[in-house]
Amino acid sequence: DTGVSQDPRHKITKRGQNVTFRCDPISEHNRLYWYRQTLGQGPEFLTYFQNEAQLEKSRLLSDRFSAERPKGSFSTLEIQRTEQGDSAMYLCASSLPVTSGGAFYNEQFFGPGTRLTVL
Amino acid sequence: EDQVTQSPEALRLQEGESSSLNCSYTVSGLRGLFWYRQDPGKGPEFLFTLYSAGEEKEKERLKATLTKKESFLHITAPKPEDSATYLCAVQASETSGSRLTFGEGTQLTVNP
Repeated sequence: DTGVSQDPRHKITKRGQNVTFRCDPISEHNRLYWYRQTLGQGPEFLTYFQNEAQLEKSRLLSDRFSAERPKGSFSTLEIQRTEQGDSAMYLCASSLPVTSGGAFYNEQFFGPGTRLTVL
Repeated sequence: EDQVTQSPEALRLQEGESSSLNCSYTVSGLRGLFWYRQDPGKGPEFLFTLYSAGEEKEKERLKATLTKKESFLHITAPKPEDSATYLCAVQASETSGSRLTFGEGTQLTVNP
């Protein structure tokens, strides 16, 4: 079973440039999430998709950030006009929610992340 | 607002010295409490999900337990390869979205 993959693994860019990251979820997982993690902190939620629909966005997701999942499979996260404060690890996760016996199960599996450094 | 607090921030153990990590949480309608392991420069690796108070799960030297206010990750006779950051996260009711709210993690070092 192939896990969540992310590309690139590392990205160094200059302030003001645009960057785009890609995430390929576990096949047949219909939910896909983006998180951001800075050094010494836990991951923070950015946004998530169910199939191709973007259902929730955090207030952390400024107007410079946009995410898409056009065909309900892979997703891209674009950051426009990068700032030094955008330097972080960007993590993608996927899940396949299941309801069984009245209980809701939604385990999220993470990819290796994309480390962004803005100079 | 959902909140997760982990303690201690860092823990050093000798190989074989058992201990516990704590995760205290405040959430409206707990859907699940998750434990992940994270190695430096890598994404979180899923360990356990706990869904209701009193539930316990085990995997090798790790055992996770859940009460209505906190969760513990017990590490029995740890080995150096157990060294990592352990993250706790909560998922609130579906009406609050599907997000995970994470604590800041406990950095565990096991010395040989």
